[in-house]
Amino acid sequence: SAVISQKPSRDICQRGTSLTIQCQVDSQVTMMFWYRQQPGQSLTLIATANQGSEATYESGFVIDKFPISRPNLTFSTLTVSNMSPEDSSIYLCSVPGVAGGSYNEQFFGPGTRLTVL
Amino acid sequence: GQQLNQSPQSMFIQEGEDVSMNCTSSSIFNTWLWYKQDPGEGPVLLIALYKAGELTSNGRLTAQFGITRKDSFLNISASIPSDVGIYFCAGRVSGTYKYIFGTGTRLKVLA
Repeated sequence: SAVISQKPSRDICQRGTSLTIQCQVDSQVTMMFWYRQQPGQSLTLIATANQGSEATYESGFVIDKFPISRPNLTFSTLTVSNMSPEDSSIYLCSVPGVAGGSYNEQFFGPGTRLTVL
Repeated sequence: GQQLNQSPQSMFIQEGEDVSMNCTSSSIFNTWLWYKQDPGEGPVLLIALYKAGELTSNGRLTAQFGITRKDSFLNISASIPSDVGIYFCAGRVSGTYKYIFGTGTRLKVLA
């Protein structure tokens, strides 16, 4: 499986500010995914980041609030913009593995724990 | 939208006991994944299931892909304290590489 790192591991931010989260993978991958995990909740997909094209956002998530960059096949960033306390969550990036040649599995980074005051 | 319900929501068990949890959906999935998440960490993949009826083991863990393709089950045998954590199922959305995650089962093991 791929080795995935995220920066920062945690941060405490003031409302109204923005935070950019980085995700680095040790191998080239076509797709990267960004998830949000609110306190005590399950994981919800925010968007799919494809290299060379705009990210695809899930219902309820918009580019203005969560802009994503994907400059190459090993790196992506997610920005949480104009933060409010409701944005306090763990943000996780993930990449597909290759099983049977069809990217069936998915592997996660360690997450970024964000607290907004 | 698609939703995956896991049960039980949480459970306390004695060390050495076997554990069973399940995941059900109103939709059909072609792939099921089971993850464990420890506090402060990302989910770790435990088992992947690709075919209806498939039974797959990973050490003390055994998972099954339901015949109807709308459910999956995870069993942990002879639980130990390090089994504590939250277990999530995930189903792959047909025609995509996206996954829907279950509501989670929080496991606590009493030594």
